[in-house]
Amino acid sequence: DTEVTQTPKHLVMGMTNKKSLKCEQHMGHRAMYWYKQKAKKPPELMFVYSYEKLSINESVPSRFSPECPNSSLLNLHLHALQPEDSALYLCASSQRESDTQYFGPGTRLTVL
Amino acid sequence: GQSLEQPSEVTAVEGAIVQINCTYQTSGFYGLSWYQQHDGGAPTFLSYNALDGLEETGRFSSFLSRSDSYGYLLLQELQMKDSASYFCAVRDLGYSTLTFGKGTMLLVSP
Repeated sequence: DTEVTQTPKHLVMGMTNKKSLKCEQHMGHRAMYWYKQKAKKPPELMFVYSYEKLSINESVPSRFSPECPNSSLLNLHLHALQPEDSALYLCASSQRESDTQYFGPGTRLTVL
Repeated sequence: GQSLEQPSEVTAVEGAIVQINCTYQTSGFYGLSWYQQHDGGAPTFLSYNALDGLEETGRFSSFLSRSDSYGYLLLQELQMKDSASYFCAVRDLGYSTLTFGKGTMLLVSP
């Protein structure tokens, strides 16, 4: 198994909703990442988990809350989002933090 | 911090060869990666150069010159399916995450 999976593929939510994005990999990778990508822009790093511990938070607003329940799973909990948070949210994983990153297909999020 | 420059758009015809350049400025340097992203899809890893020289993988090759802070992605025998955005990305020494360039949109026409 050499892929990163993400659910859901699409998500529409209101500004008062609470939702979660899920990411899973079974490659034995010990580093996992959340990126945000706006249209026609490069991915922007949000969070890095290494060995299930948060190692980097790129000054992301607290309405985004990451969680790494185990070495294969990564969640992103969303609460009280703004319309400008609408974007493609990408999960990636790598063997370790310094290794090549492999991306999942992303969740297309629309905040109304 | 890091900054990367790459052309915003490149056009070519099927069967041709195209080169996408990337120049970077970093406080340290660990390696240059290339990713392909089709519209609506996820970035797909293409290649990684940590040392100077050319890396070849099928129709794609990537080159790095650390002294010039420069690299390129070479795509040969272009196919319509190669139409996509291509991102270079650097990993800064001591800072293990990737910083992406703004991306180059490659348009391949018949």
